[in-house]
Amino acid sequence: ELKVEQNPLFLSMQEGKNYTIYCNYSTTSDRLYWYRQDPGKSLESLFVLLSNGAVKQEGRLMASLDTKARLSTLHITAAVHDLSATYFCAGVKTSYDKVIFGPGTSLSVIP
Amino acid sequence: KAGVTQTPRYLIKTRGQQVTLSCSPISGHRSVSWYQQTPGQGLQFLFEYFSETQRNKGNFPGRFSGRQFSNSRSEMNVSTLELGDSALYLCASSFPSSYNEQFFGPGTRLTVL
Repeated sequence: ELKVEQNPLFLSMQEGKNYTIYCNYSTTSDRLYWYRQDPGKSLESLFVLLSNGAVKQEGRLMASLDTKARLSTLHITAAVHDLSATYFCAGVKTSYDKVIFGPGTSLSVIP
Repeated sequence: KAGVTQTPRYLIKTRGQQVTLSCSPISGHRSVSWYQQTPGQGLQFLFEYFSETQRNKGNFPGRFSGRQFSNSRSEMNVSTLELGDSALYLCASSFPSSYNEQFFGPGTRLTVL
């Protein structure tokens, strides 16, 4: 069964700094998702990565996928307080399989 | 376009009772998935329905069940509630596409006393 791991699980960073969240998955995954969850709120879709080498960017967030290494990264550039949230990556073995979520990375950006 | 809606938003039940949660997907979306989120176990997949058929199932006991109606609305039912069923229950809908991007509802917070 597909297993998804993230590290770090907790991340405290200063405003203006850069950092990367890593997402490893255990078997072939048809696609990779990144979500954001604010405290007490639901999940918001950030990126969907379909193919090896895919890179997507939105504002200060950039996600990439390396299917050979079974690794996706979420890079944060010049962090701001508004980015404080929990970030989840999720994979799916095949197109019609269930989506498996990682444990989440709780990000806190300190002024 | 209206988002995914879930009702009720909050529920308090006692052990042994049963509960039904409802989810209305985004118009045109035919897949609805249900997840349980707890601080200890994280986000766990319950089941997915597509065109009124259960397409995938997670590793939950038979007390957890669901169904989908012809208008794609879905319900999940938990019978004989246990304290450990206290959680945020999220549903997500998606449109069949190469992305199969899921859009989540606000969730139902269930507390079992």
